[in-house]
Amino acid sequence: AQSVTQLDSHVSVSEGTPVLLRCNYSSSYSPSLFWYVQHPNKGLQLLLKYTSAATLVKGINGFEAEFKKSETSFHLTKPSAHMSDAAEYFCVVNVARNTGFQKLVFGTGTRLLVSP
Amino acid sequence: NAGVTQTPKFRILKIGQSMTLQCAQDMNHNYMYWYRQDPGMGLKLIYYSVGAGITDKGEVPNGYNVSRSTTEDFPLRLELAAPSQTSVYFCASSYSSIGTGRETQYFGPGTRLLVL
Repeated sequence: AQSVTQLDSHVSVSEGTPVLLRCNYSSSYSPSLFWYVQHPNKGLQLLLKYTSAATLVKGINGFEAEFKKSETSFHLTKPSAHMSDAAEYFCVVNVARNTGFQKLVFGTGTRLLVSP
Repeated sequence: NAGVTQTPKFRILKIGQSMTLQCAQDMNHNYMYWYRQDPGMGLKLIYYSVGAGITDKGEVPNGYNVSRSTTEDFPLRLELAAPSQTSVYFCASSYSSIGTGRETQYFGPGTRLLVL
């Protein structure tokens, strides 16, 4: 069965330093992977998604993720954290195949804390 | 476009009461979803719809019902509310024509429900 594992429940960084949020996936075929962000008391917003066109995926607000098949990872990075990046981040896999219906399986989330 | 809208934002129910959570989207999306998010967890799928008149169960459908009479609206009905239904409920929508599995889901701001 396909799943994702977010390796850190909390990550703390200082403003201006790099961000690394880790996600490993398990899949027997090329997965559909996403990163969503949830700001406090808000809905979820798509940061980026893996489309198999490129292993390095660029998203909004300066975030990137690299799909590494050999490591079964899809880690989220940002070169320089901003205070507004403080939020909950979810790594997500779609376990439905070849259909418009998406059965999204969410990781347990990583809370990013950014200090001044 | 307003995107995905949800009402109410917050509600307190007594055990055994019923209510309907409203969800509407103005993006002409064919797919719509209902999720619940329990504290510290990712989202879990309750019900989904592939178009007007077509709905199906997700991972956690017990205690809920849905209907979809129009493309725009996808209400979620709670019958006989129970404390276990205390959660935050999110509605989402997406558009798919060829079913790549990598479509973007757009989420509403959520409804916080407390059952006492």
